[in-house]
Amino acid sequence: EVQLVQSGAEVKKPGESLKISCKGSGYSFTNYWIGWVRQMPGKGLEWMGIIYPSDSDTRYSPSFQGQVTISVDKSISTAYLQWSSLKASDTAIYYCARRFGSSAWGYWGQGTLVTVSS
Amino acid sequence: QSALTQPPSVSGSPGQSVTISCTGTRSDVGSYNRVSWYQQPPGTAPKLMIYEVSNRPSGVPDRFSGSKSGNTASLTISGLQAEDEADYYCSSYTSSSTFEAFGGGTKLTVL
Repeated sequence: EVQLVQSGAEVKKPGESLKISCKGSGYSFTNYWIGWVRQMPGKGLEWMGIIYPSDSDTRYSPSFQGQVTISVDKSISTAYLQWSSLKASDTAIYYCARRFGSSAWGYWGQGTLVTVSS
Repeated sequence: QSALTQPPSVSGSPGQSVTISCTGTRSDVGSYNRVSWYQQPPGTAPKLMIYEVSNRPSGVPDRFSGSKSGNTASLTISGLQAEDEADYYCSSYTSSSTFEAFGGGTKLTVL
């Protein structure tokens, strides 16, 4: 069974750094793109970026380029999303998802709530 | 502003059918059969319901169907059930980006 399990909720202060994770299991981790999606409170879904674990080919949405870093550790089948300096506007639920077919995302993590508040 | 346009809300009574539209351009929906639909009940992660315009993943009821005409894709839910109440998002590959774009989402209310 394909599963994506994300790290737990975080509460941070503005300016702090953060790295959240997404561990894949039940499939060959290196063979499928992993994506990160932001959902701000009461809002819709936004693509942040995607990464191909086999070679770490990473692509960012223009809105998030330079704002976050996406990475993987193939040895433990885990993808990461990190911030170097959080802002209050980063408060959101972040989902990871795995590619399905040529253009869909068929498997989703449970989401990680990140709250940034002073 | 989302690249794909969806109605903010639709509603229907149990047993009825509803259709949710997703309007794009020739750079996305109009040129590629790479449209998918996601269901997101409150407080849960999105779930893939339709991929490549009209294909259902295993386990998705055949009450859910997808289609496309020109620059507009559609999701139709027939035989509405209370459990269908959720937000629905379309997504399409777009030539203006390196990966897909989402629509703004449509809230389905089952009356």
